[in-house]
Parts: sequence; C-alpha cells; structure tokens
Amino acid sequence: NAGVTQTPKFQVLKTGQSMTLQCAQDMNHEYMSWYRQDPGMGLRLIHYSVGAGITDQGEVPNGYNVSRSTTEDFPLRLLSAAPSQTSVYFCASSYPDKYNEQFFGPGTRLTVL
Amino acid sequence: KQEVTQIPAALSVPEGENLVLNCSFTDSAIYNLQWFRQDPGKGLTSLLLIQSSQREQTSGRLNASLDKSSGRSTLYIAASQPGDSATYLCAVRENTGNQFYFGTGTSLTVIP
Repeated sequence: NAGVTQTPKFQVLKTGQSMTLQCAQDMNHEYMSWYRQDPGMGLRLIHYSVGAGITDQGEVPNGYNVSRSTTEDFPLRLLSAAPSQTSVYFCASSYPDKYNEQFFGPGTRLTVL
Repeated sequence: KQEVTQIPAALSVPEGENLVLNCSFTDSAIYNLQWFRQDPGKGLTSLLLIQSSQREQTSGRLNASLDKSSGRSTLYIAASQPGDSATYLCAVRENTGNQFYFGTGTSLTVIP
C-alpha cells in the first residue's frame, strides 16, 4: 500500500490564483481530512469527509473547497489564493471513522506571493 | 474549546538517556489521544493511540500513558538514540464533534 499520497510537494502561487491540492489513499478509509500547519499554531482542521459524497467544514474552512466523489480521493481547492494561505497542508485518513488511528500524507508546502 | 499544550517546546538530551515528553489538555471528555512523530519537512507518523478507557500503550521503546481526570498524557522514550531526534506531537479526539486538537509539539534532539 502507498498509504496517503499528496501532490504536489511544493507549490508557489500568486495572489488570486486558484489551484487544487491532491490527496489519495489506497487503504479504503472512509474518513479523510485536510489540515494546515503553521508555525506556533499546531495543525488546524480545514475540511473533512466521512465518506464519498459527504463533506463538512472544520475549524478554518474559509477560502477552501472540497469534494469527495470517490472513497480514494479528497482534493482541496483554493479558490483565490491569499498570502494568509501560505502554509504546509496535510491530508489524513482513518478507518472506519474519525475515532480511529489517523494516517497522514507527506504534506504540500504552499507559498502565496 | 479544547486546548492542547506540550511543554517543553524543545528538549536536548545525551544518547542513552530515558526521557518523558508531556502533553496536557483542558477538557477531559476525550475519545482518544494519539502521539505522532514529525521529521523536518515530512508528514506525521503515528506512534501510539490510547483510547479513553486505557491507561497506557507500549510499542518497543515507547510507552504512552493517559490520565484523563488530570488532563495529561506522557510519552516515555527509553534508551534514547540519535534517530529519535524529531518533533513529537500529541492530539486529542473529543467525544463529540469532528475536531482533532493538536499540540504545537516538542522538538527533541538526542546528542550522540
């Protein structure tokens, strides 16, 4: 199993540009989530999904969209990038629900100029 | 809102020493607590998961304990090695809601 994979590893955007961060897992995990990690603030939940077709907001959802058309994939979309979205983004998954062990991807380091 | 604190923020020890990392949380109504390791520029690796009904979990040289009533967890690392150098994060899952609250981590350096 590849586990949780994320692409790209690094990305530089200009303010106002849009992009999609990809996340995929091959462990048949129902629960998937996106976090951002900022210095001195720990990881914060952006959006999560309890299964295909079901998504909901976390602590810091503004400026981000998600969808979950398959069990395997959970992309995160930045609609109009802002410098405040400069961060490291992590995708995580667990089975069968949020109460079990979380597995994290390697992260995407995003810089917005 | 649940707050998770890890003290100290950084720790440096000589190789071979046993050490304890601390994690405290403000709301004892947790479902479980998970310890992670993060290497520089990398993702999080799960180390141990303790359910709220458990007092401790062990994996190799690692032992994690949980005292829900006092809002504390400790990660004990025996016979530390330079390869243990990393940032260690704890996170708590509450009984209700969907938030998984993280501490800001303890950066550990084991000196050869």
